Amino acid sequence: EIVVTQSPATLSVSPGERASLSCRASQSVGINLAWYQQQPGQTPRLLIYDASSRATGTPARFSGSGSGTEFTLTISSLQSGDFAVYYCQQYKTGQMYTFGQGTKVEIK
Amino acid sequence: QLQLRESGSGLVKPSQTLSLTCAVSDASMNSPDFSWNWIRQPPGKGPECVGFIYWSGGTYYNPSLQSRVTIALDRSKNQFSLHVTSVIAADTAVYYCARGRGVWFGVMDVWGQGTPVTVSS
Repeated sequence: EIVVTQSPATLSVSPGERASLSCRASQSVGINLAWYQQQPGQTPRLLIYDASSRATGTPARFSGSGSGTEFTLTISSLQSGDFAVYYCQQYKTGQMYTFGQGTKVEIK
Repeated sequence: QLQLRESGSGLVKPSQTLSLTCAVSDASMNSPDFSWNWIRQPPGKGPECVGFIYWSGGTYYNPSLQSRVTIALDRSKNQFSLHVTSVIAADTAVYYCARGRGVWFGVMDVWGQGTPVTVSS
C-alpha cells in the first residue's frame, strides 16, 4: 500500500494570504495525484487531478504542482470559503488508491 | 448533472451485515469510462477506499476488508450496492459512493452526500 503523508496537519493563514500544502507519497506515483476540499459536514469535492489539472469549477487561485513523490497545493489568496480540510489522494495504476490524513486550513 | 444518493442501514449491530445502495441519476453506469466506488471516512480521519466495481462487473476490494466486502451492480435499477459482513466497531464511518474516472479510474469526480453508519449493540 502506498502511504500518503500530508503536512502540516493544521495551517493558520489570514484571508488574502497565500497557503502552500504539502503531500508526500511513499513511492513514486508519477502525476497520479488529486486534491480534494472538504468543508465541515460536507462531501469531499475534487479540486485538482493529475497533479496540476484543475477540475471543472475550480477557481484559478488553486494550483497543483509536483511529480513522483512530492506534491504541493497552493492557494494564491485565501478567501473565506477556502477555510476547510484538504486531502491529497494517489491513484497509481495497479495500486489501491489511498488518501492522506488531511491538512486543515484555518483562519489566523 | 450526475447525482449519487446513498441509502441503507445507519445502525448495525456487531457481527451483522452492513448494506448500502447508491442510486445513479444518469446513464453513466452504461459507460466503460467510469468505476463505481465505495469510500468510507471514520470520524476525524481521512477517506479510505472500501472497493469499486467496473462497467464490466469486475471488482477490486481493499485487501484489509476483502474477506468481508461485496460490491454489485444492478443496471436494471441504475444502482450499485455494498455489503460488509461481520461488522465491528472499526467499521463505524460515513460511507460515500463516488464515480471514478481517468487513470486507473482513480479520480473521484462525483460523490454522494454520504451516509453515517454506526456499529453498536
